[in-house]
Amino acid sequence: EDQVTQSPEALRLQEGESSSLNCSYTVSGLRGLFWYRQDPGKGPEFLFTLYSAGEEKEKERLKATLTKKESFLHITAPKPEDSATYLCAVQAKGGATNKLIFGTGTLLAVQP
Amino acid sequence: NAGVMQNPRHLVRRRGQEARLRCSPMKGHSHVYWYRQLPEEGLKFMVYLQKENIIDESGMPKERFSAEFPKEGPSILRIQQVVRGDSAAYFCASSPNQGANNEKLFFGSGTQLSVL
Repeated sequence: EDQVTQSPEALRLQEGESSSLNCSYTVSGLRGLFWYRQDPGKGPEFLFTLYSAGEEKEKERLKATLTKKESFLHITAPKPEDSATYLCAVQAKGGATNKLIFGTGTLLAVQP
Repeated sequence: NAGVMQNPRHLVRRRGQEARLRCSPMKGHSHVYWYRQLPEEGLKFMVYLQKENIIDESGMPKERFSAEFPKEGPSILRIQQVVRGDSAAYFCASSPNQGANNEKLFFGSGTQLSVL
């Protein structure tokens, strides 16, 4: 069964304190791995798509990496506005849909 | 360009009533997905629709739940005879097409359904 596990469930950082979020996945065939950010009361907002092991993508203070079993979201020198829930999701090959299988997310709190 | 619009934002129903959730996809998008987010759980896929067609409803409960995406107008997720366990945030997402490469999904702000 396709599955996504994220850790830690919650993470508290001081402003400027870099860290990484983990996303472990099991999927029959990976079509793509997605990172989304979700603020309270809002829908997920797209951040990155990774397609193959070894791929990396960056956006401001965020960098996403991918291996055959997991993905990391690295946050460099975070700011309070980076506080949010970060969601990881996978799309499996085959089938007729682009449906995403989500993890339960990592709640990130960055304190000034 | 307006994003994915969902209404209402909050919906309160008593047990046994019907709930209708609406979703207007982004302009130019013809694919709609519905997800449900229960407290302490991740987003769970429910149904995928194209205009006038249900493509994949594998995540939708067989009873009481239905979805449509008519030729004109928004997509509707309908829950009949709601129970307390239906209380959740329901998110709609859209994408422009079903190309060979992955299409990222654009999400609405969700409808929070509360069943009393």
